[in-house]
Amino acid sequence: EVQLVQSGAEVKKPGESLKISCKGSGYSFTTYWIGWVRQMPEKGLEWMGIIYPGDSDTRYSPSFQGQVTISADKSISTAYLQWSSLKASDTAMYYCARLFGGREFDYWGQGTLVTVSS
Amino acid sequence: QTVVTQEPSLTASPGGTVTLTCASSTGAVTSGYYPNWFQQKPGQAPRALIYSTSNKHSWTPARFSGSLLGGKAALTLSGVQPEDEAEYYCLLYYGGDWVFGGGTKLTVL
Repeated sequence: EVQLVQSGAEVKKPGESLKISCKGSGYSFTTYWIGWVRQMPEKGLEWMGIIYPGDSDTRYSPSFQGQVTISADKSISTAYLQWSSLKASDTAMYYCARLFGGREFDYWGQGTLVTVSS
Repeated sequence: QTVVTQEPSLTASPGGTVTLTCASSTGAVTSGYYPNWFQQKPGQAPRALIYSTSNKHSWTPARFSGSLLGGKAALTLSGVQPEDEAEYYCLLYYGGDWVFGGGTKLTVL
């Protein structure tokens, strides 16, 4: 059974750093792209970027380039999304999702809620 | 900035049929945009329903179908069920970039 399990909710202060994770199981983690999607409170979905765990090839949405870093550790089948300096506007639910065929999304993680507040 | 537009809200009657659409600011949506459709219920993660315009995932109920209609991607629910009340998002592929539509809130009354 394919599963993407994300790390738990985080509460951080502005300026702090954060790294959240997405662990894949039930499939060959290195041969499928993983994407990250943001959903701000009461808002729609926004594509942030993708990574190919096999070689860590990474692509970012222009809206998120330079704002976040996507990485992966294929030895533990885990993808990451990280911030070096959080802002209140980073408060959102973040989802990871698997891509198949390099273009289409199928399985999704349960989401990680990030709250940034002073 | 590419914009993908969906109806903000639609209402359907149980047992009825409803079609949601997805338009691109760049012009007509074709199969080359690999339209995907997702369902999201309150407090839940999105769930994939349709890929490559009209293909269903193994878990997608038969009453959901995808197509191209009048230059847009479309999601049709035939025989709407109360449990179909949810937010629906389309996703279009722009050659290495993806853009979600703003979502359609489907109410079943």
